[in-house]
Amino acid sequence: AQKVTQAQTEISVVEKEDVTLDCVYETRDTTYYLFWYKQPPSGELVFLIRRNSFDEQNEISGRYSWNFQKSTSSFNFTITASQVVDSAVYFCALSPPGGSNYKLTFGKGTLLTVNP
Amino acid sequence: DTGVSQDPRHKITKRGQNVTFRCDPISEHNRLYWYRQTLGQGPEFLTYFQNEAQLEKSRLLSDRFSAERPKGSFSTLEIQRTEQGDSAMYLCASSVEEQYFGPGTRLTVT
Repeated sequence: AQKVTQAQTEISVVEKEDVTLDCVYETRDTTYYLFWYKQPPSGELVFLIRRNSFDEQNEISGRYSWNFQKSTSSFNFTITASQVVDSAVYFCALSPPGGSNYKLTFGKGTLLTVNP
Repeated sequence: DTGVSQDPRHKITKRGQNVTFRCDPISEHNRLYWYRQTLGQGPEFLTYFQNEAQLEKSRLLSDRFSAERPKGSFSTLEIQRTEQGDSAMYLCASSVEEQYFGPGTRLTVT
């Protein structure tokens, strides 16, 4: 069975602070994919990143960066110089390897509030 | 707009009534998924189609739920004899690789 744990239920920061959202996962698959999605107050889930378990390189996209550590089964997400528009619920998700089924197992999400 | 669309966006129904939701995926996406999200939780997988074939159903999908994807294009999710516990946001996603989600249908059963 697959499981994703996001231990931080809510985080509140002041604008321009850096913030890291934690994600720990469990799976018996030797290959898998990890994802982060953003759900702003409007409700629509927005895809942020997909990471293959073979690729442990960290990734940076603008103010966003992701740290994948297979040894600790973690896939953490950092927002640098946070902005009010970053306020949203962020979900980490896990899926089986490629093939006929890519269903996602989501964590419970972390509500990030960025205050001006 | 070429994203995933869902209709209706909101549905209020009385317990015991049947409801049907529609999802129109991104046109070139052959995979289509339904998820359910309750307050304070992440989305939970319900079912999955590849083209018109329904390949997997979650145990969450009781006999009162049925999903179809005729001709491998749009999909419908029907809930018969709704119960208050069915109140949730029903999300549709489509993919070639990563999944892109629609805005969801919020169901309230009174």
